[in-house]
Amino acid sequence: GESVGLHLPTLSVQEGDNSIINCAYSNSASDYFIWYKQESGKGPQFIIDIRSNMDKRQGQRVTVLLNKTVKHLSLQIAATQPGDSAVYFCAELKAAGNKLTFGGGTRVLVKP
Amino acid sequence: DTAVSQTPKYLVTQMGNDKSIKCEQNLGHDTMYWYKQDSKKFLKIMFSYNNKELIINETVPNRFSPKSPDKAHLNLHINSLELGDSAVYFCASSQTNSGGLNEQFFGPGTRLTVL
Repeated sequence: GESVGLHLPTLSVQEGDNSIINCAYSNSASDYFIWYKQESGKGPQFIIDIRSNMDKRQGQRVTVLLNKTVKHLSLQIAATQPGDSAVYFCAELKAAGNKLTFGGGTRVLVKP
Repeated sequence: DTAVSQTPKYLVTQMGNDKSIKCEQNLGHDTMYWYKQDSKKFLKIMFSYNNKELIINETVPNRFSPKSPDKAHLNLHINSLELGDSAVYFCASSQTNSGGLNEQFFGPGTRLTVL
């Protein structure tokens, strides 16, 4: 069946270092892949998306890579800051119905 | 000026009770959603409405009934609450944008605890 999952449940990173969060997916029929950030007590917040026909997209301090050959998605955060501490979710989106399917989440802890 | 708001933020109730969670968005979006996040942080879509019409209805017990009085509101009514209903419920909204990503904006969540 469809699934979107993450390799690492918790990632500890030193402030200033780069973070890499990984995600594996099994459904190749999605139209977009999206990363969300969820801070404690808040709802998920959109970070960046990538269309399924692309392999890389850059935002401010974040880069998403999509490897369709191995069905792998990653989020790179440059110069990680304390405010980046949160749970990060990858999700796949099917345009029909705008249906989001979330992965299991990775907690990022930034050490000062 | 909150974009997507939910009430209440916390809800504690006894098993067997009936309760409602309300959601309002002031973004002018045409589609609204309800998600459930369990204790392991797993997020799953429950329902979506587009212009008050049900679009997505995942495998959710029929004790859960969404109601959309207008485009800006999507309420969730739950009958005969069970222990397993304890979770954080998130409302979201998006605007249909043909040919592009219809980004979903999430509310702050309602933590439901069933005792």
